[in-house]
Amino acid sequence: GENVEQHPSTLSVQEGDSAVIKCTYSDSASNYFPWYKQELGKRPQLIIDIRSNVGEKKDQRIAVTLNKTAKHFSLHITETQPEDSAVYFCAARGAAGNKLTFGGGTRVLVKP
Amino acid sequence: GAVVSQHPSWVICKSGTSVKIECRSLDFQATTMFWYRQFPKQSLMLMATSNEGSKATYEQGVEKDKFLINHASLTLSTLTVTSAHPEDSSFYICSARGGKSETQYFGPGTRLLVL
Repeated sequence: GENVEQHPSTLSVQEGDSAVIKCTYSDSASNYFPWYKQELGKRPQLIIDIRSNVGEKKDQRIAVTLNKTAKHFSLHITETQPEDSAVYFCAARGAAGNKLTFGGGTRVLVKP
Repeated sequence: GAVVSQHPSWVICKSGTSVKIECRSLDFQATTMFWYRQFPKQSLMLMATSNEGSKATYEQGVEKDKFLINHASLTLSTLTVTSAHPEDSSFYICSARGGKSETQYFGPGTRLLVL
């Protein structure tokens, strides 16, 4: 089955700096890669996603890049703000299946 | 985005009792629903996938007789934790996906505490 590794597990950045989270996946047939943000005690919220036919996608301060050859994808947050502090999860969905496989999560702390 | 609700948000029960958690898609038809379990400071662990009108598919290691899942309509799925024990205490989150959409929306979660 699919295996998703996520790094780092914790990330502390100064407000205004950029944050980068990286994920690798094992199933070369995976074709959908969402990123979720989860604040303490709350539901995961989709913040951006990318499909395998696209190499990069941007939405304001958030961008995701995908390298299918290397089987890795990354989340980039620019001009970080304190409200960006949360746990971020990457995920991958294999072409054969219906389910998302999640990475272990990255706890991001933005220090004012 | 689409809205998924989940009830109850909190439940405390005695060991040996059963608890039912409801997951509803409020503004779309959820052809597939997913049930996850999340331990503190850990990732989302998929328990089972259910398609409307058919039996749920359970992940390896998840006891289907203990965690009963019913997806009787396109807007409602239920998870029943039967004969709950303290080790079943956890945060349970449902998620729904509709039609050909790839996006999966999460419910707010249910925190279960078994005494």
